[in-house]
Amino acid sequence: KNEVEQSPQNLTAQEGEFITINCSYSVGISALHWLQQHPGGGIVSLFMLSSGKKKHGRLIATINIQEKHSSLHITASHPRDSAVYICARGMGSQGNLIFGKGTKLSVKP
Amino acid sequence: KAGVTQTPRYLIKTRGQQVTLSCSPISGHRSVSWYQQTPGQGLQFLFEYFSETQRNKGNFPGRFSGRQFSNSRSEMNVSTLELGDSALYLCASSLGPGQQNGYTFGSGTRLTVV
Repeated sequence: KNEVEQSPQNLTAQEGEFITINCSYSVGISALHWLQQHPGGGIVSLFMLSSGKKKHGRLIATINIQEKHSSLHITASHPRDSAVYICARGMGSQGNLIFGKGTKLSVKP
Repeated sequence: KAGVTQTPRYLIKTRGQQVTLSCSPISGHRSVSWYQQTPGQGLQFLFEYFSETQRNKGNFPGRFSGRQFSNSRSEMNVSTLELGDSALYLCASSLGPGQQNGYTFGSGTRLTVV
């Protein structure tokens, strides 16, 4: 069983819809990362959070440490949001990350 | 400022050969981590370097090695290539080790072993 579980694996939405991607992890963390990967491979770090909520533009990330759960929300989705979204957990002072399998999002115009 | 630069972008090698991939971090970043991405296993941590020292290593065979130079540039080497080593290899840099620093990823090197 992967230490980091994401759902759903695939998500298709219409432009303008509100989107939620979930991430659960099985061990304690010091930080939870949300990453975006477009076709071609490059990865962009969206958020790093250890508590509460962070917002950047139309993207919102929340984390509940007690429930070991994080969500990534996209408001007013747009076709350019189509990508694979990956959550990853980090532990303590270690630099390694354990990654979820990713959620492939497709936003249709 | 320049981002994380990985070279080459694409590489085709034959089974049994060895390969060296390069990662130049963002100026001022002293920590470099390497990851392998395959369709079957997804993203997996390879190793992390800080101040020319390997701090952590993932669960990969000894054929996978790396190093970091005094200017923080890092290389990873894979010897005796196998077909299963075909993957996208990504590096990420940060100011220092640990989860308090965010990571910036490079565009990756896509390695194909034939």
